[in-house]
Amino acid sequence: NAGVTQTPKFQVLKTGQSMTLQCAQDMNHNSMYWYRQDPGMGLRLIYYSASEGTTDKGEVPNGYNVSRLNKREFSLRLESAAPSQTSVYFCASSEPASGNTIYFGEGSWLTVV
Amino acid sequence: DQQVKQNSPSLSVQEGRISILNCDYTNSMFDYFLWYKKYPAEGPTFLISISSIKDKNEDGRFTVFLNKSAKHLSLHIVPSQPGDSAVYFCAATRDAGKSTFGDGTTLTVKP
Repeated sequence: NAGVTQTPKFQVLKTGQSMTLQCAQDMNHNSMYWYRQDPGMGLRLIYYSASEGTTDKGEVPNGYNVSRLNKREFSLRLESAAPSQTSVYFCASSEPASGNTIYFGEGSWLTVV
Repeated sequence: DQQVKQNSPSLSVQEGRISILNCDYTNSMFDYFLWYKKYPAEGPTFLISISSIKDKNEDGRFTVFLNKSAKHLSLHIVPSQPGDSAVYFCAATRDAGKSTFGDGTTLTVKP
């Protein structure tokens, strides 16, 4: 029972490089999310997708883009990485029709040097 | 303006005693509240929730209390166990929409 799977788990980037974080869920959920967590801070929403084909900005969208490729997959792209984007990134999904519980992936540790 | 606040960054309790984690919110439109637990190097996992039409929900050692008039909820863990040591996040939602999270409280349960 995989749940939410995100890759890569660890990545080091140089300033200005680009990369894509991949996420897939096997729970047939409509909603998917990308959060970042910085030390001493909570989970801040970067982007979310309420359903396949739709995406919306969250609290901290600057410097990121997303793609809801299909119902299962939701990717997060950093076009030109900056040290301020060093963080732990969590992908998550939920099914609003079945309640408000969010299911998280295990996290991706990104360092930008 | 932070809509969900956990004012205690950390809490330390002795094994077997009660742990009380607190959460305050400002948006009276929130209608569902959840607690998540996070171990290091793992994603958060759902722990317990409560609807705004209730004032208490219990699941084993975990009880969540909601005081709507004070816009306050709390998570009680009785008895606390060393395995409960983790970061606890409070979250609130409205109309089954996206969740707003607090900054978390790190609970340490000492043997």
